[in-house]
Amino acid sequence: EVQLVESGGGLVQPGGSLRLSCAASGITFSTNYMSWVRQAPGKGLEWVSVLYSGGSTYYADSVKGRFTISRDNSKNTLYLQMNSLRAEDTAVYYCARVADYYDSSGYGGPGAFDIWGQGTMVTVSS
Amino acid sequence: EIVMTQSPATLSVSPGERATLSCRASQSVSANLAWYQQKPGQAPRLLIYGASTRATGIPARFSGSGSGTEFTLTISNLQSEDFAIYYCHQYNKWPFTFGPGTKVDVK
Repeated sequence: EVQLVESGGGLVQPGGSLRLSCAASGITFSTNYMSWVRQAPGKGLEWVSVLYSGGSTYYADSVKGRFTISRDNSKNTLYLQMNSLRAEDTAVYYCARVADYYDSSGYGGPGAFDIWGQGTMVTVSS
Repeated sequence: EIVMTQSPATLSVSPGERATLSCRASQSVSANLAWYQQKPGQAPRLLIYGASTRATGIPARFSGSGSGTEFTLTISNLQSEDFAIYYCHQYNKWPFTFGPGTKVDVK
């Protein structure tokens, strides 16, 4: 069974740092696109960052320069290092696998988020 | 950034009826559109990708249609477990973006 389990959330003061982890079973990070998506309390979903299988990374403008996505293939674990945290970063953070998509031309690239973890709550408050 | 909008914000439906949810993109996303269902306290679940392909294990009462900028999710014969929030999501261009969601509740 494919499973993603996040950990590392908690309460942190503004300006502080936190590192989230996402441990996978049943899938291999090194051959998949992996992403972080967050959801502020009572709000919708916001894509945060993606790590391509080849190592390329992309970030939402709201976290660029403050967050870093990485992985440890030997541990099959995805990370999100969050620095200079702000109150508006308060959210449940989900890791998700990004499925490949195919169209009439063949391979199209990263697609939908097909597997999600249960999420970990990050609260930024003094 | 591609902006996704959804309507209505809330849809009140009786069990057994049909629910029709709309999603619009600010520019064409081709068929690179997914739908997710989220229940309180749970992670989102992928329902539809490629605008119209059901994900593994999703019942046939869920169907998606559309391309370009206009998309529809239809839930036929609504079951009690279908009352939830539904999000559309475009993956045509980074940054990937989501709609604000449509809440389907009991009429």
